[in-house]
Amino acid sequence: DTAVSQTPKYLVTQMGNDKSIKCEQNLGHDTMYWYKQDSKKFLKIMFSYNNKELIINETVPNRFSPKSPDKAHLNLHINSLELGDSAVYFCASSQGTGPRGEQFFGPGTRLTVL
Amino acid sequence: AQSVTQLDSQVPVFEEAPVELRCNYSSSVSVYLFWYVQYPNQGLQLLLKYLSGSTLVKGINGFEAEFNKSQTSFHLRKPSVHISDTAEYFCAVTEIIQGAQKLVFGQGTRLTINP
Repeated sequence: DTAVSQTPKYLVTQMGNDKSIKCEQNLGHDTMYWYKQDSKKFLKIMFSYNNKELIINETVPNRFSPKSPDKAHLNLHINSLELGDSAVYFCASSQGTGPRGEQFFGPGTRLTVL
Repeated sequence: AQSVTQLDSQVPVFEEAPVELRCNYSSSVSVYLFWYVQYPNQGLQLLLKYLSGSTLVKGINGFEAEFNKSQTSFHLRKPSVHISDTAEYFCAVTEIIQGAQKLVFGQGTRLTINP
């Protein structure tokens, strides 16, 4: 069973389009995250949700809108895609929001904006 | 804000040789440190973590790391590497923002094992 899954795995689209990435975890965790990995492999957190409530928003452009319909799902919608949005997006989950909680990562979604 | 510096962007090593991947973090009162591995085209997998207690931490796949508070380091080591250890390795520290944790990652070290 996949613990943290993401769809799609690859996403190629044109500038200006709107796209969504979905994430689901079956670990029973209550906290989920979105990270962005750029072309130099640098990983940075974008958002975190705890029990469907947004708790971290790291100065991400408001073209990015996360949505958590329930504790097991965290989706990422991106409006008006730009070339600079090309990256690998990772979803992760953990139990609780404390510093000791191990984060489990999904396989990533490679977004290419042309 | 917390920060992590991985001193080597690439480390080439011969198979069965020992390896050390270096990581330094910014000082803080409480430090929780992690090493993650990313195999090609895959997500991140936790190798090991330091939360408290013994400064020598053992992880999966024969890796270990030593927490050194005085040198603010958390270097990763393996006594004998295999071809399958070829991957990107990330050191990370937990930062707490408004009661919520986020992982702050280093720049990553690409470990390449040569036969």
